[in-house]
Amino acid sequence: DAKTTQPPSMDCAEGRAANLPCNHSTISGNEYVYWYRQIHSQGPQYIIHGLKNNETNEMASLIITEDRKSSTLILPHATLRDTAVYYCIVRAAGANSKLTFGKGITLSVRP
Amino acid sequence: GAGVSQSPRYKVAKRGQDVALRCDPISGHVSLFWYQQALGQGPEFLTYFQNEAQLDKSGLPSDRFFAERPEGSVSTLKIQRTQQEDSAVYLCASSLAAGGSNEQFFGPGTRLTVL
Repeated sequence: DAKTTQPPSMDCAEGRAANLPCNHSTISGNEYVYWYRQIHSQGPQYIIHGLKNNETNEMASLIITEDRKSSTLILPHATLRDTAVYYCIVRAAGANSKLTFGKGITLSVRP
Repeated sequence: GAGVSQSPRYKVAKRGQDVALRCDPISGHVSLFWYQQALGQGPEFLTYFQNEAQLDKSGLPSDRFFAERPEGSVSTLKIQRTQQEDSAVYLCASSLAAGGSNEQFFGPGTRLTVL
């Protein structure tokens, strides 16, 4: 079972920041927070991951609370092409580290 | 590009028919995963290979499902005597290192419809 909970959907205006929340209150010390997204009819795409420090790359920023029980994925300037299902995944490092997806959050970016 | 490819992209099978789904991972990737995604749900893990060794098949739903990766590159997922509940998108993913702890790169999936 997924160890994360996400709201089912949200929307934001094009050009604005999209802040996608995720709760993972039972996360263990050696587990990372990963974010993937899935655009319609495509396979999931890796966005970003982190352990306890905030992370930023060319796609997004990941903010993890100090107690690590929740996180927020930030898309700084959402475009229509960012409309997708976003999955927050808790995953242990190491061997056979499969991804356990939940239902994700559907982000709709409106013009 | 040099991403993960899957074939066929779409497959329609009659109930009871056998099907074979192919995955070509990124060249040199050690880890290969298969996932099943039912409509409206997130992908669910089926099985994992490290090179040619199938190290985890705990997600395979029944003994009708069989996967192989004989030379440590291309993988085939076979479903025997297909049932309607097997209708889903089957996703393949590969990652560079053993254990898949790196980023997983996904293919576009094969959409299987069993009539």
